[in-house]
Amino acid sequence: GAVVSQHPSWVICKSGTSVKIECRSLDFQATTMFWYRQFPKQSLMLMATSNEGSKATYEQGVEKDKFLINHASLTLSTLTVTSAHPEDSSFYICSARVSGGYSNQPQHFGDGTRLSIL
Amino acid sequence: DQQVKQNSPSLSVQEGRISILNCDYTNSMFDYFLWYKKYPAEGPTFLISISSIKDKNEDGRFTVFLNKSAKHLSLHIVPSQPGDSAVYFCAAITSGNTPLVFGKGTRLSVIA
Repeated sequence: GAVVSQHPSWVICKSGTSVKIECRSLDFQATTMFWYRQFPKQSLMLMATSNEGSKATYEQGVEKDKFLINHASLTLSTLTVTSAHPEDSSFYICSARVSGGYSNQPQHFGDGTRLSIL
Repeated sequence: DQQVKQNSPSLSVQEGRISILNCDYTNSMFDYFLWYKKYPAEGPTFLISISSIKDKNEDGRFTVFLNKSAKHLSLHIVPSQPGDSAVYFCAAITSGNTPLVFGKGTRLSVIA
């Protein structure tokens, strides 16, 4: 089945540090990748939709300059949390859908990255 | 405005019995509905889906029922097993290359 690999799985760093999270589709090409954020006991909240070769589309309330998304190839998207602060601590999850984008193709998720900012 | 709602944050079921997880939605444009299972510190895993033109889809122990007139769907797990203990997310999608819209999840605990 389709596999999405996300790294790192856990990051602890000091306030002001920038953190990069990688999301790779291992055995399929993903024209579109999605980045979600999950707070404790909350649902997955979509942050942005990343399309290969173009700028990401951010959801309302998500700071573009804070959360930089790059989708340089059909198998790799990165999320960089710039100058992270404690309020950015959260569980970040990427997701990819097989190219074609039909609604019946399930999104496949990475295992998530737990980001803790001290 | 939450388009996908899971009103029960938790559910406890005895091993061997049926687990029924419920989900309501408000957007009549949703084309597909999906259920995901999530363990702590892991990403969601796709479980089962149903098209808006169907009313039932079955896969082994898992069955999803869709009632379009009531804008309601449910996931039945029978028989429930301790390994089914996880958070279950209901999700929906409109046609085209749009992202999933998730409910808040229901934590299922299957007690041996």
